[in-house]
Amino acid sequence: DVKVTQSSRYLVKRTGEKVFLECVQDMDHENMFWYRQDPGLGLRLIYFSYDVKMKEKGDIPEGYSVSREKKERFSLILESASTNQTSMYLCASSSLAGYYGYTFGSGTRLTVV
Amino acid sequence: EDKVVQSPLSLVVHEGDTVTLNCSYEVTNFRSLLWYKQEKKAPTFLFMLTSSGIEKKSGRLSSILDKKELFSILNITATQTGDSAVYLCAVDRYYGGSQGNLIFGKGTKLSVKP
Repeated sequence: DVKVTQSSRYLVKRTGEKVFLECVQDMDHENMFWYRQDPGLGLRLIYFSYDVKMKEKGDIPEGYSVSREKKERFSLILESASTNQTSMYLCASSSLAGYYGYTFGSGTRLTVV
Repeated sequence: EDKVVQSPLSLVVHEGDTVTLNCSYEVTNFRSLLWYKQEKKAPTFLFMLTSSGIEKKSGRLSSILDKKELFSILNITATQTGDSAVYLCAVDRYYGGSQGNLIFGKGTKLSVKP
């Protein structure tokens, strides 16, 4: 089974802190994604990457950046955390062309105080 | 702007009932439509639909896609309390050649009462 592992289940950070959310997948997938999930808004795409060192903006990239230095690892960075970034963050990966669907990690619930 | 709309947003039924969840979409560069079930943690994959009119089944769950009318339904028969979850509809859209990414609806929260 594909495993997508997010390093933290719960995280509490202060406003203005730099925050790193880490995601690792173990099936050699080319594609990796970061979503945030909020009540009433569903899952929204923040950033995605199709290859090492490549990144593409999703639907809501403002306030975020990403890093993909290795194929298996995709990091989401909040340069200066704000309270409106309190959310559940989900990482996903897929094989080339997504023929076998997308697999999600268990999520990181981030609270910014 | 691409969008995926699910209805209803929430639903309460009793065990044994049959439910139908709806998903409509307006997405350029459509590749496939996916259904996920989400309980406390990660969304788990249910179905991927690419062709119109072909029903996919897994136990008490089934789903079908209509690419002309741009919608899909997810049916659950003889519901059980373990079916209580948020059901997510997503459309996989092409991006730059063969790559793609998912756009989600807001989900339908299903509660099954004993």
